[in-house]
Amino acid sequence: KNQVEQSPQSLIILEGKNCTLQCNYTVSPFSNLRWYKQDTGRGPVSLTIMTFSENTKSNGRYTATLDADTKQSSLHITASQLSDSASYICVVSESNTDKLIFGTGTRLQVFP
Amino acid sequence: NAGVMQNPRHLVRRRGQEARLRCSPMKGHSHVYWYRQLPEEGLKFMVYLQKENIIDESGMPKERFSAEFPKEGPSILRIQQVVRGDSAAYFCASSPYGLAGRTGELFFGEGSRLTVL
Repeated sequence: KNQVEQSPQSLIILEGKNCTLQCNYTVSPFSNLRWYKQDTGRGPVSLTIMTFSENTKSNGRYTATLDADTKQSSLHITASQLSDSASYICVVSESNTDKLIFGTGTRLQVFP
Repeated sequence: NAGVMQNPRHLVRRRGQEARLRCSPMKGHSHVYWYRQLPEEGLKFMVYLQKENIIDESGMPKERFSAEFPKEGPSILRIQQVVRGDSAAYFCASSPYGLAGRTGELFFGEGSRLTVL
């Protein structure tokens, strides 16, 4: 069964610190992996999209990595800000059906 | 260029009533996707539509749920005879071309939160 598992489920950090969120997936074959940020009560907003041939992609303070061999991805947030408080969702695209398989997200809280 | 517009943002219905959720895609986008998000769960695919066509409804419950995307006007997700288990956030997303899973970006609306009393 195609699945996307994220860890940790929730994370609390202090403003200015770095953090790394994990995503493991069993989707195969897959065509791309995305990270979305979802603020409370809002819709998801795309942070990065990586194809299976890409290892890393950055978007400002967000850096995503992908290891297609081990089926793992991570999202690293540098110098966290209060506005980073949100759920971060890993989404994997299944090649055969083009369906997007969503993880349940990591809820990040940044405190001053 | 306005984003994906969903309304209502919040909807309260009593058991047995009907709920209609509307979604206007971004300008130039002819592909619409509906997702459901239960509390503490990930988004679950429901249906994928193009103008006047349902492309994939494999995620839709067989009964009480229907969706349309007419030639003119917004996409509508309709839930008949709502039950408490239908309480959830319903998100619409649009893309300028099909196969969004493979090729492209998916733009989400802010969601419609349905509460069934």
